[in-house]
Parts: sequence; structure tokens; C-alpha cells
Amino acid sequence: DVKVTQSSRYLVKRTGEKVFLECVQDMDHENMFWYRQDPGLGLRLIYFSYDVKMKEKGDIPEGYSVSREKKERFSLILESASTNQTSMYLCASSLTDQPQHFGDGTRLSIL
Amino acid sequence: LAKTTQPISMDSYEGQEVNITCSHNNIATNDYITWYQQFPSQGPRFIIQGYKTKVTNEVASLFIPADRKSSTLSLPRVSLSDTAVYYCLVGAHLQTGANNLFFGTGTRLTVIP
Repeated sequence: DVKVTQSSRYLVKRTGEKVFLECVQDMDHENMFWYRQDPGLGLRLIYFSYDVKMKEKGDIPEGYSVSREKKERFSLILESASTNQTSMYLCASSLTDQPQHFGDGTRLSIL
Repeated sequence: LAKTTQPISMDSYEGQEVNITCSHNNIATNDYITWYQQFPSQGPRFIIQGYKTKVTNEVASLFIPADRKSSTLSLPRVSLSDTAVYYCLVGAHLQTGANNLFFGTGTRLTVIP
């Protein structure tokens, strides 16, 4: 069974901090994704990576960056956290043209 | 501009068949339609995927009309454990870019005893 692991279930940070959210998958998937989920807005794609060191912007990349140095790990970085980035963050992975497998999310609060 | 539209919520009694429809008027030729289920405090979980006509697996059926502008997820004989949020995802093969992936805002299904 595919396992997508997000490093933290809950995280509290302060405005202006640099925040790292980590995601690891164990099935050699080439594609990895970061979404944020907000009430009434569903899931919105932040960034996507289709290979090591490759990335593409999703719908809402502003204020975020990503890093993929190894195939199994995809990191989301909040360069300078702001209160409007308080949200649930979901990581997913997939083989090309196959359904995505999601982690259980990181609930991030920015104070 | 949202690419998919779903009802916000639905209620159903146990044992009934539930049909959830997703509208995707701007679906592109290469787009697949995928449905996910999400329980509280968990990530979405894949249910079913299709391109056209009908697809069935052990948990659901997916009906896609010829014009592909909508799709209907059908859950036979729901139980209390089917209470969840159901998402419709329309997207192309990833070679054409991640910004072609659009999740709906989800339908909250509540199954009543």
C-alpha cells in the first residue's frame, strides 16, 4: 500500500517565520503535489513536481516555494509566514496518469 | 473561475443509493474525471476514475454522458461509514501541466440511520 507521510499533523508558527512542511512517499512515484484546503474552497493546488528538481506552479503559488532534491521527498516552504497562510496542507503523490495518494495533512496555524 | 461544480451537501438514509453529480462544462478532450472521498482529519482517498460512459468498481459506479460535461458518482446502499466529503477532480494527463487539475469544492454527504 502507498504511504504518504507528512512530518507534522499540527504546527504553530509566528508571523514572519520561515516554515518547512515535509512530505515523504515510499512508492517511487515521480509526481508529488502540495495542496491547501480551506472551508468552502476545497483543495487548491500550490505546487507540483514531476521529477527531482522539477516543479510547476499550481493555482496559488504566491508566498510559497518548494524543494525536491530526492524523488521520495517534497518540501513546501513558506518564506515569511503570514496569518492568511493558516490552513490545512495536504501532500499527494502519483504515478503519471494515475490517481493521487494523499497524506493525512498538516494543520498549520500562523499567529 | 471554478472548473467543477458540485452540490454543497446531501443527506441520505442508510441503505439507499446516493448519486452525486459534478458539472464540468469546460472539460477538455484529454481530461479524466476522478472522485475522491475524505473523512475528517484524513487526506482524500481515491474512489473511481473514468473518461467516458460507465465505470464500476467494488465500491462505486461513475456515469459520464456522451458530452462529458457532467459526471455522476453512484454509491449503492450507503451505510453510516459513507458519511464523508466527496470531491470531483477533472484534469488532464500531467504532461500538459499541473494547472490543469481542478478539484471541486466537495459534497458533504451525511448518512442518516
